[in-house]
Amino acid sequence: GNSVTQMEGPVTLSEEAFLTINCTYTATGYPSLFWYVQYPGEGLQLLLKATKADDKGSNKGFEATYRKETTSFHLEKGSVQVSDSAVYFCALRKEDSNYQLIWGAGTKLIIKP
Amino acid sequence: DAGVTQSPTHLIKTRGQHVTLRCSPISGHKSVSWYQQVLGQGPQFIFQYYEKEERGRGNFPDRFSARQFPNYSSELNVNALLLGDSALYLCASSSAGGLEQYFGPGTRLTVT
Repeated sequence: GNSVTQMEGPVTLSEEAFLTINCTYTATGYPSLFWYVQYPGEGLQLLLKATKADDKGSNKGFEATYRKETTSFHLEKGSVQVSDSAVYFCALRKEDSNYQLIWGAGTKLIIKP
Repeated sequence: DAGVTQSPTHLIKTRGQHVTLRCSPISGHKSVSWYQQVLGQGPQFIFQYYEKEERGRGNFPDRFSARQFPNYSSELNVNALLLGDSALYLCASSSAGGLEQYFGPGTRLTVT
């Protein structure tokens, strides 16, 4: 079946450190891939997306590249800030989906000043 | 423009009771999806409606039902509540053929 696996959290980093949150997926065909962020007490916000192999999604200094050969979509940021503290979710939408998203368990990120 | 709105924000119910959650999509969006997010986990897909018709259903019991109205707003109903139904219920809307889903703030349901 289709699934998304994320690295377990919490991930704790110091401000200005480099961030990587791993995400791998299992799916047939060519799913679309997403990263969503959930700030404390808020709803889910789309952070970035990629729809085909080798696409790079980017937003607010975050990047992720759709790697078909390794079925991965790792989230990276070169220099994190305290305000990046949140829970990050990787998700996929199947190629033939009726909008249904399949989600990872989420990775909590804590940035210390 | 207003985003996706949900009501109520919080709700406390007793086991066996029934609950109705409401969602208004972004203006112009005809598709609404419902998700259940248990604390510490990713969201689980419950339903998707498009143009008032159910287009998808996740692995949830028949106690869960939903509908979409002519103005594209939606209701999620849960009957015979169980303690395990305690969760954050999220509504998301998207435009026809749209790739992105936009989420509301959720309704926090607590079953005691």
